[in-house]
Amino acid sequence: DAGVIQSPRHEVTEMGQEVTLRCKPISGHNSLFWYRQTMMRGLELLIYFNNNVPIDDSGMPEDRFSAKMPNASFSTLKIQPSEPRDSAVYFCASSGTGVTEAFFGQGTRLTVV
Amino acid sequence: GIQVEQSPPDLILQEGANSTLRCNFSDSVNNLQWFHQNPWGQLINLFYIPSGTKQNGRLSATTVATERYSLLYISSSQTTDSGVYFCAVDMRFGAGTRLTVKP
Repeated sequence: DAGVIQSPRHEVTEMGQEVTLRCKPISGHNSLFWYRQTMMRGLELLIYFNNNVPIDDSGMPEDRFSAKMPNASFSTLKIQPSEPRDSAVYFCASSGTGVTEAFFGQGTRLTVV
Repeated sequence: GIQVEQSPPDLILQEGANSTLRCNFSDSVNNLQWFHQNPWGQLINLFYIPSGTKQNGRLSATTVATERYSLLYISSSQTTDSGVYFCAVDMRFGAGTRLTVKP
């Protein structure tokens, strides 16, 4: 298996633009997590899906952020409109039934200018 | 929500030294994992250890769930062990321990 695949690896966008980050979990995994990592706040759990259903979105910072998982092999995290304070590395992780070992993608480094 | 505290925040070692990293958590745990973030930013799963003891080469981990802590042991450290070590409890991360191993 190729592991968790995130795209793009780097994204530079202007303030106010819409940004879409993508994640393909490991085949057979049914839990998916989105994180944001910054120096100030560390690794923050944004949202957790189980069997494609959002279970806990309490970490989503505000309404500008939204996440979807239309099927077991794809998820998106969207920011609209983007702001400079959204600049961070965004990680996606997946794990099997019952949230056992989790595996992370390589992250998307987002810069909003 | 659950609180995860890691100590020490920073650790500097000479190559060959041993170290112990600690993770305290505030509530009962279903899932506890240790991760290493290397200098390139990649997060690698080291252990899934909600209870008990596991060993993998020079690394081992112990979780005492009843006392709400977990320990990660690194023996005979190498420069490639440098990076940040995170404890995640129910997928909530602590602030990490930044380890620097000097040659």
